[in-house]
Amino acid sequence: GIQVEQSPPDLILQEGANSTLRCNFSDSVNNLQWFHQNPWGQLINLFYIPSGTKQNGRLSATTVATERYSLLYISSSQTTDSGVYFCAVLGSGNTGKLIFGQGTTLQVKP
Amino acid sequence: ETGVTQSPTHLIKTRGQQVTLRCSSQSGHNTVSWYQQALGQGPQFIFQYYREEENGRGNFPPRFSGLQFPNYSSELNVNALELDDSALYLCASSSGPEQYFGPGTRLTVT
Repeated sequence: GIQVEQSPPDLILQEGANSTLRCNFSDSVNNLQWFHQNPWGQLINLFYIPSGTKQNGRLSATTVATERYSLLYISSSQTTDSGVYFCAVLGSGNTGKLIFGQGTTLQVKP
Repeated sequence: ETGVTQSPTHLIKTRGQQVTLRCSSQSGHNTVSWYQQALGQGPQFIFQYYREEENGRGNFPPRFSGLQFPNYSSELNVNALELDDSALYLCASSSGPEQYFGPGTRLTVT
């Protein structure tokens, strides 16, 4: 099955810094989502981005499907950006199975 | 528009017992997926229901079962609870390729 790897596993930033999170996947995909998991466990949708580039405020994402990776950019980070960031891709077959990476844990210090 | 809701938020059960978790899908969504997230891991796909039928299943034993109702809400049932079933259980609803998650139910098995 498809493997999803995220890097780095952990990231510590000072408030105001920029960061790039990476997601590599082992096979071609038609669906890629980025999530932010808050301290209470809820997964917040950031981007649905099977290809191309999208921006939403201080966050942007780029997926290069042909090279099997996606990047999440966080600019001018804030303490509220802390948490775990997951990327997930849709598995093969029509099962609706999202395959998640292990996540990047981000801590933004004031 | 009401988002995905789950109940209960927390639950403590004893090994060998049975548990039922509930999920109400977002308005307009006809598909519900369930995931198990162990501490420090990414969510793992349990199964998906589409129009009251199981549409796909992950690598979970038969004691994990589910239902979807005509209003597209769903239940996850787990029989013969084991200590390793302690986890955050997440429900996601969708009407297309993008999945939206509820706040989760945290299950502790003692």
